[in-house]
Amino acid sequence: DQQVKQNSPSLSVQEGRISILNCDYTNSMFDYFLWYKKYPAEGPTFLISISSIKDKNEDGRFTVFLNKSAKHLSLHIVPSQPGDSAVYFCAPSYNTDKLIFGTGTRLQVFP
Amino acid sequence: SQTIHQWPATLVQPVGSPLSLECTVEGTSNPNLYWYRQAAGRGLQLLFYSVGIGQISSEVPQNLSASRPQDRQFILSSKKLLLSDSGFYLCAWSRQGPLIAFGSGTRLTVV
Repeated sequence: DQQVKQNSPSLSVQEGRISILNCDYTNSMFDYFLWYKKYPAEGPTFLISISSIKDKNEDGRFTVFLNKSAKHLSLHIVPSQPGDSAVYFCAPSYNTDKLIFGTGTRLQVFP
Repeated sequence: SQTIHQWPATLVQPVGSPLSLECTVEGTSNPNLYWYRQAAGRGLQLLFYSVGIGQISSEVPQNLSASRPQDRQFILSSKKLLLSDSGFYLCAWSRQGPLIAFGSGTRLTVV
């Protein structure tokens, strides 16, 4: 029973272009959504989040969009930079004790 | 500031041998503590979480166990490792809310 799906295991984008990472979930009880970024052999680090009362949150080059009716979440990175190359996990939450992580999308930004 | 320490960074163990991974958090009290695993080709799977000393919740049935002997110490153990226990193990903590911070991880290879 996979509550969180990131259907694109990998994404390749040219530097300067927009990267769009998608996440779908099934549990309508999720009320807070986080994105984490992970480099190889390191722990994930928090990137950006959004509450279910909003449909958009922006932080510099990173914007997260939430479509509750479609149970869909997306992360936009613009402009993409080579240092953005990493694995990105979406992580919804429905209580304050634990997060449910998606399978991740590996983003590669090439020059 | 809070920091989380996890060790060892890498570990190679034979099948049937015991396991002990340790995690400690500094700079906070009464944190929520978590053990996650990232297996090859899969997302981050929550294994255990703890809201206090001696309080352990197991998310999935498995060959592993967890203990919290002190407020800021979380230990992941196994009496006999299986090949399927190989993966990248991450300790994490949170204080309030869903945002959690991860340690640097332990790469476990069971041979």
